[in-house]
Amino acid sequence: AQKITQTQPGMFVQEKEAVTLDCTYDTSDQSYGLFWYKQPSSGEMIFLIYQGSYDEQNATEGRYSLNFQKARKSANLVISASQLGDSAMYFCAMRELGVYDNDMRFGAGTRLTVKP
Amino acid sequence: ETGVTQSPTHLIKTRGQQVTLRCSSQSGHNTVSWYQQALGQGPQFIFQYYREEENGRGNFPPRFSGLQFPNYSSELNVNALELDDSALYLCASSLPRGDSSYEQYFGPGTRLTVT
Repeated sequence: AQKITQTQPGMFVQEKEAVTLDCTYDTSDQSYGLFWYKQPSSGEMIFLIYQGSYDEQNATEGRYSLNFQKARKSANLVISASQLGDSAMYFCAMRELGVYDNDMRFGAGTRLTVKP
Repeated sequence: ETGVTQSPTHLIKTRGQQVTLRCSSQSGHNTVSWYQQALGQGPQFIFQYYREEENGRGNFPPRFSGLQFPNYSSELNVNALELDDSALYLCASSLPRGDSSYEQYFGPGTRLTVT
């Protein structure tokens, strides 16, 4: 069963504007973590931001913030003041606690293109 | 830079051959996970090693196997290569597991092409 869904294969944003990348997830666990990674064309996965299932406040890291809506099982990434260097693939991922709490599941990704 | 390195960067093999991919984790990271990322898809979890033992496995056949060594290096071995094994292979190291918040540090990946 698909655990992470990213419905936007591609997104465009004008430089200096904000953009929201969507992510919904499916789990019956009460304890889990949600992650966003950036993958430039070089291939390396770069950690951006983390949200724990018990965290009451939305996570923020510089220009990145995570809009966490637990009841809707969504964890959207908001990038403010987009820069040309933000053009990349973005992946949402989840780790559930359990017997195999090491299994990080990724969505299919969203390709973000920042226009000058 | 994450301090995680992988070799080789690129590799071309023929169907039916065997391949070994290598990963060097950050010092002190005793957990390493391997992922397969096919073109245009998100990474898929292959398996994880913790203190040199397999500690969880995704939906991959036994011809995918691994080793982890005391010096924080690890290997992914794939036997009887198939065309569908062509992908970017990523390793990720992490600190000892605790809650779900532990971060994984990814290497740059090895791009494997099977012809």
